[in-house]
Amino acid sequence: NAGVTQTPKFQVLKTGQSMTLQCAQDMNHEYMSWYRQDPGMGLRLIHYSVGAGITDQGEVPNGYNVSRSTTEDFPLRLLSAAPSQTSVYFCASSVAGGSVGEQFFGPGTRLTVL
Amino acid sequence: AQSVTQLGSHVSVSEGALVLLRCNYSSSVPPYLFWYVQYPNQGLQLLLKYTSAATLVKGINGFEAEFKKSETSFHLTKPSAHMSDAAEYFCAVSTIGGGNKLTFGTGTQLKVEL
Repeated sequence: NAGVTQTPKFQVLKTGQSMTLQCAQDMNHEYMSWYRQDPGMGLRLIHYSVGAGITDQGEVPNGYNVSRSTTEDFPLRLLSAAPSQTSVYFCASSVAGGSVGEQFFGPGTRLTVL
Repeated sequence: AQSVTQLGSHVSVSEGALVLLRCNYSSSVPPYLFWYVQYPNQGLQLLLKYTSAATLVKGINGFEAEFKKSETSFHLTKPSAHMSDAAEYFCAVSTIGGGNKLTFGTGTQLKVEL
């Protein structure tokens, strides 16, 4: 199993550009989520999904859009990039439901917005 | 609402010395608690988790943590530090009924010196 994969690993954008960060998992996990990591702030939840066709907002959703058309994929879209979105983005997946299982994290995407 | 406080953004220990990383949580309902480790330029890996079973939880790489409800703490310890333990450590909390949403602390960077 590849686990959770993310592409690209690095990306540089100009202010106002849009892009999609890709996330895929091959563990048949229902729950997927996106976090951003900023120095001194830990990881903060952007959006999450409890299954195909179901998404919801996390702590810092503004400026980001998600959709979940399949169990495997959970892309994160930046509609109009801003310097404040410079960060490291992590995708995670786990078994959903009331059980609090381990979340598996991808290797991250390092995004710089100029 | 739930929150996590990690005391000390940087901790330095000598190789062979005790490692103690502090985590205090706030939750209005019984929490589930986690410690994750992040090695440089990698994603997060689960060290251990508390899910209301035994209060002393053993994890990978010789780490353990004790859940103390009276102190609202979940400190991470290791009897003898190794150079390979140098990494950033995150404490996180979620709650039953809260799904798999994790709230992270701000992280503690552990440095191990010869």
